[in-house]
Amino acid sequence: GQNIDQPTEMTATEGAIVQINCTYQTSGFNGLFWYQQHAGEAPTFLSYNVLDGLEEKGRFSSFLSRSKGYSYLLLKELQMKDSASYLCAVVDSNYQLIWGAGTKLIIKP
Amino acid sequence: SQTIHQWPATLVQPVGSPLSLECTVEGTSNPNLYWYRQAAGRGLQLLFYSVGIGQISSEVPQNLSASRPQDRQFILSSKKLLLSDSGFYLCAWTRDAWHEQYFGPGTRLTVT
Repeated sequence: GQNIDQPTEMTATEGAIVQINCTYQTSGFNGLFWYQQHAGEAPTFLSYNVLDGLEEKGRFSSFLSRSKGYSYLLLKELQMKDSASYLCAVVDSNYQLIWGAGTKLIIKP
Repeated sequence: SQTIHQWPATLVQPVGSPLSLECTVEGTSNPNLYWYRQAAGRGLQLLFYSVGIGQISSEVPQNLSASRPQDRQFILSSKKLLLSDSGFYLCAWTRDAWHEQYFGPGTRLTVT
């Protein structure tokens, strides 16, 4: 079966750095997405990785290792507005998007 | 630019009543369209997706159905709602599977 694992919940301090991990076992791989979802709102796109390595976008970076079936989202200089759920999703060999359950990130002052 | 509309924003319906949720996309043609449901504190569950008019794929057997009567219109329906149908319903579109999905604002459905 297809599976994506993320921690259920993480807590971090304002101004700090946090890394949210995602491991996947899917039938094939055609890319990995990270989305941010604030409570009660729709998800919004953060990043897309299809090749190994690190993609940086401002305070957010996403890393991919296809051989290890592993990705992480790195958030720097955390702000209170970063409190949200972060969803990992993988495009499989049939070009279907497989979603993880999401990681709820709580930022404390 | 592209926009996606979804309505209503909230809905409270009794068990056994019908349901119709509508989603429309502007500013693009022939999008892939998706209906998701999200239970409180949970991930996204794909219900239906469509790659073209009249083409609907169902991911989860249930008492829901979907239709795509026009290129940029996607409708989610039910003849008789169950308590378990409560949740946050999201419509999304994408150009193709390897591009990001754009989500509508969602409909929060409570079945009482």
